[in-house]
Amino acid sequence: KAGVTQTPRYLIKTRGQQVTLSCSPISGHRSVSWYQQTPGQGLQFLFEYFSETQRNKGNFPGRFSGRQFSNSRSEMNVSTLELGDSALYLCASSLAMPNTEAFFGQGTRLTVV
Amino acid sequence: KNEVEQSPQNLTAQEGEFITINCSYSVGISALHWLQQHPGGGIVSLFMLSSGKKKHGRLIATINIQEKHSSLHITASHPRDSAVYICAVGGGSQGNLIFGKGTKLSVKP
Repeated sequence: KAGVTQTPRYLIKTRGQQVTLSCSPISGHRSVSWYQQTPGQGLQFLFEYFSETQRNKGNFPGRFSGRQFSNSRSEMNVSTLELGDSALYLCASSLAMPNTEAFFGQGTRLTVV
Repeated sequence: KNEVEQSPQNLTAQEGEFITINCSYSVGISALHWLQQHPGGGIVSLFMLSSGKKKHGRLIATINIQEKHSSLHITASHPRDSAVYICAVGGGSQGNLIFGKGTKLSVKP
């Protein structure tokens, strides 16, 4: 079956702009979680959605938001981009995170200039 | 102190060696994940454990819930095993994972 698809793969944005990233989970998976990976902080949890409801949110400012649609596809949005938002953004899909296997997308590499 | 600690941070091995990566955690968990990340960013799930031991090919993962410790073993290591190995824990119905900093493994031919 098809894996987790993240789009776009690469993105360059200017400070102050906003960006929307997309994640299509594996068919049948209702849990989608988002993570930020930077060289300094490693992998950090952003938020998790299950059946269109945000179940948990990490320690990130309100500029980071997300949503999940009825087909389980998820989007995350970052407004008023800062240089420090440059990172690899990964999403993972699962039947029931964290108690079932997590399948990760290839990530979106965001560069803010 | 991080909630998930991995050791070692870096590991260089010769092809064929037996490798052990350790993960200790300080929070209550319902599951522990071992992940592999190759250069370029893609993450692959190796194991999801809640107790005991699992084996897949040359990889073995164990967890001791009482001691809050897990190990990932690689037998007969190969250069293609070179990657960053990440331990992540999750608790109950909270759908988030807490990650270790990763162990960078390099296997020399």
